[in-house]
Amino acid sequence: AQSVTQLDSQVPVFEEAPVELRCNYSSSVSVYLFWYVQYPNQGLQLLLKYLSGSTLVKGINGFEAEFNKSQTSFHLRKPSVHISDTAEYFCAVSEKSGRRALTFGSGTRLQVQP
Amino acid sequence: NAGVTQTPKFQVLKTGQSMTLQCAQDMNHNSMYWYRQDPGMGLRLIYYSASEGTTDKGEVPNGYNVSRLNKREFSLRLESAAPSQTSVYFCASSQTPGTKPYYGYTFGSGTRLTVV
Repeated sequence: AQSVTQLDSQVPVFEEAPVELRCNYSSSVSVYLFWYVQYPNQGLQLLLKYLSGSTLVKGINGFEAEFNKSQTSFHLRKPSVHISDTAEYFCAVSEKSGRRALTFGSGTRLQVQP
Repeated sequence: NAGVTQTPKFQVLKTGQSMTLQCAQDMNHNSMYWYRQDPGMGLRLIYYSASEGTTDKGEVPNGYNVSRLNKREFSLRLESAAPSQTSVYFCASSQTPGTKPYYGYTFGSGTRLTVV
């Protein structure tokens, strides 16, 4: 079975400060990794994904994430956040074989303060 | 615009009533999914369909049924709604996992369901 743990349920940060949202996963097989963002009262939008290759993945809106296989982590970072980044962020994992659907973490609410 | 369309966007049901949530995608995806989102629990898989004509249970299937009507449409039915089914429901679709290139899931905008 696969699982995802997002270590922080809420992360408050001031505008223009850097931020890191943490994600750890568990799986017995090779996986794809994703970060999705959900703005208030909206659906989920893909931020970035790791499929294979370079462990540093760049996504939309200036976000990036680094896949660390030895630590089974996929932390999301942004060097300077904006008020508009306030949203809920979900880390997700799926097996490359496709036998299991996407499994989500419980989410991290990023609150950017002026 | 190409994507996943869910109807209705909002619904209030009384306990014991039934309803069907509709989902359609126009991206020619083989795989479709239904998730529910509850505060502090992320999204949990209810049912999924790997291809037309097949459906499988996810993590929380009890109280729900699904129909993969054709390649485009995947509906979720609540036969006898309960307050515990108050949630936001998301439909998603994807290429068959393992397809290259793989773009992940595309989500609909959600259905907010309240059961009183």
